[in-house]
Amino acid sequence: AQSVTQPDIHITVSEGASLELRCNYSYGATPYLFWYVQSPGQGLQLLLKYFSGDTLVQGIKGFEAEFKRSQSSFNLRKPSVHWSDAAEYFCAVGAFTGGFKTIFGAGTRLFVKA
Amino acid sequence: EADIYQTPRYLVIGTGKKITLECSQTMGHDKMYWYQQDPGMELHLIHYSYGVNSTEKGDLSSESTVSRIRTEHFPLTLESARPSHTSQYLCASSGRRTAVAEAFFGQGTRLTVV
Repeated sequence: AQSVTQPDIHITVSEGASLELRCNYSYGATPYLFWYVQSPGQGLQLLLKYFSGDTLVQGIKGFEAEFKRSQSSFNLRKPSVHWSDAAEYFCAVGAFTGGFKTIFGAGTRLFVKA
Repeated sequence: EADIYQTPRYLVIGTGKKITLECSQTMGHDKMYWYQQDPGMELHLIHYSYGVNSTEKGDLSSESTVSRIRTEHFPLTLESARPSHTSQYLCASSGRRTAVAEAFFGQGTRLTVV
């Protein structure tokens, strides 16, 4: 069965420091991978996606993610975090199970300290 | 900018009442989804639809029902609300005549049953 694991429930980084959020997936076929961000009380906004091609994907707000098939990982990175990046981040995998569905991880809450 | 709307944003209602959560999208997407999200928790797919007159139950069992009479509209109904239904409900849509696509989310409805 398809699944997504985000090992870190929450992470705290200092403003200006670099960030890496971990994501591991389980899916037998070629994965379609996503990172979403959710601000408090809001819906989810797509940061970036990987369908095929270059394994390093650029997204909005200065985020990037790297697909590593050998490690079944799709980690999200940002070189310099801003206070406005504090939010919940969800990794997701798109799977064909009776149609295309998006399966989400449990999320990682990012705290940014001044 | 995604055009998917959920109403109401917040709803407090008494036990036993019937409620309908509205979700509409103007992007012509054929696929629509309902997710349930408890505070600080992951998203669970409760219903999905791949087109008009198509509805399926998701991975998490739910007492709610859905309908898809029009492409743009995917309402969720609870016939008799209970405190255990208290949660945030997120509607999403994807895929205008494409099999694989990212999901666009509404801002959610936060439901409290007292």
